[in-house]
This record gives sequence, C-alpha cells and structure tokens, in this order.
Amino acid sequence: GAVVSQHPSWVICKSGTSVKIECRSLDFQATTMFWYRQFPKQSLMLMATSNEGSKATYEQGVEKDKFLINHASLTLSTLTVTSAHPEDSSFYICSARKTGGHGYTFGSGTRLTVV
Amino acid sequence: AQTVTQSQPEMSVQEAETVTLSCTYDTSESDYYLFWYKQPPSRQMILVIRQEAYKQQNATENRFSVNFQKAAKSFSLKISDSQLGDAAMYFCAYSQVRGAQKLVFGQGTRLTINP
Repeated sequence: GAVVSQHPSWVICKSGTSVKIECRSLDFQATTMFWYRQFPKQSLMLMATSNEGSKATYEQGVEKDKFLINHASLTLSTLTVTSAHPEDSSFYICSARKTGGHGYTFGSGTRLTVV
Repeated sequence: AQTVTQSQPEMSVQEAETVTLSCTYDTSESDYYLFWYKQPPSRQMILVIRQEAYKQQNATENRFSVNFQKAAKSFSLKISDSQLGDAAMYFCAYSQVRGAQKLVFGQGTRLTINP
C-alpha cells in the first residue's frame, strides 16, 4: 500500500532558528502534497498545497516567507519553519496524493516545540 | 468556499453497540469526494471510508457504513458493533474532483467506547 514517511517525528528547537520537516512518498509518485497544522484538540488546518516543480499555493493567512515549502521531486516535499517562535509550536502533518489518483496518504506527523 | 461541519464534539457508545456520527457540508460542485478519517492517540490519520458523490449507493467497509444524502448535503458515519479500538477522533472531509483537490476537514468528533 501507499506509504508516506515524515521526519522528524518530533523536534525541539530554540526560538529564532529554522527547522526542516521532510515528507517522502516511499512507493508511489506524488505530484501534489499538502501540509497541515493541527493544534491540540482541534482539526487539521491546511497550510499549503505543494506541487512538484512549481511554487506552493498557500492558504489565506499563512505566511509564505515563514513556512517555506519545496517540492523538488515527485517523492519529496519539505516544510521549513524559518525563524521559529514559540507560537509556531504545533503538530504538522503532510499528505500526499498519488499522481493520477484520488487517494490521500498521510505522514505520521511532526511535533514541533519551540523554546 | 467549501465547508464541512461536524456538530457533535463528543460522542460515547457502549461496546458492541451502534453509533452514528454526523457531518454536513456545503458546496456548489456536483461531483466531489467525501471521506471519514480516524485519528487515534498516535495522531496517525487513517482512512475509514470514502464516498464518491456521483455514486448513489452508500459506501460500506466492514462495520463502517455511511448515509450519504446528496440533496441534504449530509454524510453520516455509522459504526456497528463498536469496539474499544474504535475510540479516536473522527474527521469528516471533502475534496473536489477538479482543481487542487485539497481536503477540507470538519471540526472532528471525539468518540469514546465504554466497556
């Protein structure tokens, strides 16, 4: 079955530093990947849609300069949280859609804590 | 913009009983997909069931079935013979067939199974 690997599972960083989260489709090609943010006891909020070889499409209210998304290959998308602050602490989840398909496979998520 | 509403923040059911989770959505599209996802404490998103809007027949997956009422824009999930492992957050989600095909999630319903 389709598997998406997301790393790291958890990360603690100091305020002002940058953190990169990777989302990799292991056994299928994903033209489109999605990045979500989830606060405790809340739903998943879409941050951006990542398309291979082109610029990501950000949802309204999401700072594109703060949350840098790169989708350089059909199997890898990365989210970099730049100049992280404590309010960026959250659970980040990626999802990949198989090229030509309409199923979504989710990564296991990354818990980011900024201290 | 499409919206998904889950009006039940929490539900509980006795083990082996049946429970129904509600979901309504709003869209002007005629063709789309609807999903129910389960998020256990591990926070891994697990697909429970999927419904294609052009199909009149309600989707079924073992103990899980949906009641899809397209005119009413309602998409409820029925869990039969509830098991302790069914305890989780359940999210209803919508995606268009065309365009970005991003998933839009409802607020979620926390399901508790009482032994």
